Amino acid sequence: NAGVTQTPKFRILKIGQSMTLQCTQDMNHNYMYWYRQDPGMGLKLIYYSVGAGITDKGEVPNGYNVSRSTTEDFPLRLELAAPSQTSVYFCASGYLAGGADTQYFGPGTRLTVL
Amino acid sequence: AQSVAQPEDQVNVAEGNPLTVKCTYSVSGNPYLFWYVQYPNRGLQFLLKYITGDNLVKGSYGFEAEFNKSQTSFHLKKPSALVSDSALYFCAVRDPFSSSGGYQKVTFGTGTKLQVIP
Repeated sequence: NAGVTQTPKFRILKIGQSMTLQCTQDMNHNYMYWYRQDPGMGLKLIYYSVGAGITDKGEVPNGYNVSRSTTEDFPLRLELAAPSQTSVYFCASGYLAGGADTQYFGPGTRLTVL
Repeated sequence: AQSVAQPEDQVNVAEGNPLTVKCTYSVSGNPYLFWYVQYPNRGLQFLLKYITGDNLVKGSYGFEAEFNKSQTSFHLKKPSALVSDSALYFCAVRDPFSSSGGYQKVTFGTGTKLQVIP
């Protein structure tokens, strides 16, 4: 299994540009998540999905959109990029066991907005 | 609201010595607690979790964590540190009574950098 894969690994955007961060998992997990990691700030949840066709906002959804048309894929769309969106973005997938889900993370996408 | 605190930004320990990485939490009910490790330029990797039962939880790579309800702590421990343990460690908490749309939010700490000195 490849686990959780993310593309691209790095990206530089200009202010106002848009892009899609791709995320794919091959573990048949129902739960998928997008986080951003800023230095010294831990992880902040952007959006999550509990299954195909179902998505919901996390803590910091403004400026982002997601879709979940299949179990495997959970792309994150940035519209009108801003410098505040400079961060490392992690996608994760998970399953419930004993009432709590364990999350499996991708390698991350480092995004810089100039 | 649930929260988790990692009071140390960095912990230095000599190779072969025991290590402890501290974590305290705040939730309204009984917590689900997790430890994850992040190596440079990599995503987080699951180490261990506490849901219920024995307060001492054993995980990957020889790590263990002790759940202490009275002190609201979940410290990560290892009896003998290795240089390869050097990484960023994250504690996370979920309050099973905090649910929004079927999802129980997980809150991550800010991370503790562990440096094992040869």
